[in-house]
Amino acid sequence: DVKVTQSSRYLVKRTGEKVFLECVQDMDHENMFWYRQDPGLGLRLIYFSYDVKMKEKGDIPEGYSVSREKKERFSLILESASTNQTSMYLCASSFDRGRYEQYFGPGTRLTVT
Amino acid sequence: GDSVTQMEGPVTLSEEAFLTINCTYTATGYPSLFWYVQYPGEGLQLLLKATKADDKGSNKGFEATYRKETTSFHLEKGSVQVSDSAVYFCALSYYNFNKFYFGSGTKLNVKP
Repeated sequence: DVKVTQSSRYLVKRTGEKVFLECVQDMDHENMFWYRQDPGLGLRLIYFSYDVKMKEKGDIPEGYSVSREKKERFSLILESASTNQTSMYLCASSFDRGRYEQYFGPGTRLTVT
Repeated sequence: GDSVTQMEGPVTLSEEAFLTINCTYTATGYPSLFWYVQYPGEGLQLLLKATKADDKGSNKGFEATYRKETTSFHLEKGSVQVSDSAVYFCALSYYNFNKFYFGSGTKLNVKP
């Protein structure tokens, strides 16, 4: 069965902390994605990766970075967390390109105080 | 550019009522279209998809038809249940291109 897991369901961090969100998929997917979900704004793409050590900016990359050292793992890094990064973060993965649907993890609700 | 527009929610229905959630899209090419569902506290799950014009996607009693002439992909169900209460997202994507475009989501509340 398809599975995408995220390291935490809930996380509370202080302003200025460095935050790591981890995502692991067990489907041998080439592509992995990080989104944030906010009320009224839907899903917005932060970064995606189509191969190990490859990454591309999405629509809202400012304040974030990513790391993909292994095919199954994609990390989202908040270098210095700010209150406006309080959100639900969703990881997804997919085979190769386009027509293949994305599979989502359960999400991490991050609160920055 | 490409975009997806969904009807604003929340949509509140009684159990066994007919459901329609409208979705229209703007596309520069010939995308595949998707409906995802998000139950409370969970991530998104694929509900159904259609990859070309006039295709009908269906799953769990939900249906949507890819209408190129009206650029629409409306979600329908003949008889909703309380367990269908969730947020529904319409999305489009292209073959050979990684990006998905999601609508803003429509919350459905079904009352017993």
